[in-house]
Amino acid sequence: AQSVTQLGSHVSVSEGALVLLRCNYSSSVPPYLFWYVQYPNQGLQLLLKYTSAATLVKGINGFEAEFKKSETSFHLTKPSAHMSDAAEYFCAVSDPFAYTGNQFYFGTGTSLTVIP
Amino acid sequence: EAGVTQFPSHSVIEKGQTVTLRCDPISGHDNLYWYRRVMGKEIKFLLHFVKESKQDESGMPNNRFLAERTGGTYSTLKVQPAELEDSGVYFCASSQDKNLAGFADTQYFGPGTRLTVL
Repeated sequence: AQSVTQLGSHVSVSEGALVLLRCNYSSSVPPYLFWYVQYPNQGLQLLLKYTSAATLVKGINGFEAEFKKSETSFHLTKPSAHMSDAAEYFCAVSDPFAYTGNQFYFGTGTSLTVIP
Repeated sequence: EAGVTQFPSHSVIEKGQTVTLRCDPISGHDNLYWYRRVMGKEIKFLLHFVKESKQDESGMPNNRFLAERTGGTYSTLKVQPAELEDSGVYFCASSQDKNLAGFADTQYFGPGTRLTVL
């Protein structure tokens, strides 16, 4: 069984400060990992994904995440927050070896507020 | 290229009524998924279509939910009769088949339908 834990349902940072959103997963097999972002009144947009290549993954809008197997983590970071980063962020895990298709397992989401 | 679209964006119904949600996946995507997010909780898988066939419906809550995918194109999710606990945001996602390397592909999500059952 797979599961995802996102620590902190709400995170506030000042504009220009480091953004760190935490994601820990539980998986019986090496997983694929995803970060999605949802802006108000929009769908989930893929930020980045880890599919067993490089452990440091760069995504859109300056975000990156590092896969750490020993810590079962896939934390999302951005060096300098921008007002436009205010949104809800979801971490998801999938089983790449599923027989066919793959359901995603999501965390509960982290709402990011950027303070001017 | 158009993304995943869902209709309606919002629906408010009374307990006992019927509601049908529609999802149009990205053209050419054989895989279509339904998910649901109850307020404050995680987004949870409901079911998965491959073309017109239900591949996995292990997440469907009960038999009040009926999903169809006619001709392998758009999909509908009907809730009949609706109960209070069915309230939430229903997301649809689509993906291409696994790539040649066998990697399960990224899922592309629609904006969701917010269902409120009073």
